[in-house]
Amino acid sequence: SQTIHQWPATLVQPVGSPLSLECTVEGTSNPNLYWYRQAAGRGLQLLFYSVGIGQISSEVPQNLSASRPQDRQFILSSKKLLLSDSGFYLCAWSRLDSYEQYFGPGTRLTVT
Amino acid sequence: AQSVTQLGSHVSVSEGALVLLRCNYSSSVPPYLFWYVQYPNQGLQLLLKYTTGATLVKGINGFEAEFKKSETSFHLTKPSAHMSDAAEYFCAVSVTNSGYSTLTFGKGTMLLVSP
Repeated sequence: SQTIHQWPATLVQPVGSPLSLECTVEGTSNPNLYWYRQAAGRGLQLLFYSVGIGQISSEVPQNLSASRPQDRQFILSSKKLLLSDSGFYLCAWSRLDSYEQYFGPGTRLTVT
Repeated sequence: AQSVTQLGSHVSVSEGALVLLRCNYSSSVPPYLFWYVQYPNQGLQLLLKYTTGATLVKGINGFEAEFKKSETSFHLTKPSAHMSDAAEYFCAVSVTNSGYSTLTFGKGTMLLVSP
């Protein structure tokens, strides 16, 4: 069966510090991968999606970036965090040519 | 462009009462529709989905939803609420953007269940 992992589970970082969140998927190959941010009362905001290694599409211009160094690894990064980057970050995957997405447990990021 | 509107950010019901969470969508192509549930500080879990075929779809935990094309709706229902149903629920519609398949989510509805 497929599983998706995210770490860390929680993170408290000062403004201006760098960020690296990691997501890995097990039990499948060539997944589509997604990063979402969830802020209170605002639903899910799609940040990045990837259909393959090194193929990243950005939905929202901001100070975040994403990379996919391996088939089942998706990394969300920032060089300098802003207060507005606080939120709950969710990684998800789907099979090729499928809309159904499966979510990881999420990372709670607090920027202070 | 595809979009989803969930009516009511919060819905309160008593245990044993009918649950009705509303979702309306906008799509220029035949949509695929989904309901997800999220418990506090957890990821989203798929409840049910509509792709093609039967318009009444059944999901986990006794939930079901009916696709009504004429009303552009996909409301989620459960005959009898349980305390464990208290969570946030998200409706989503399929989106194809430059050949990529993804979902657009509504803002969510928090379901509160009182004893």
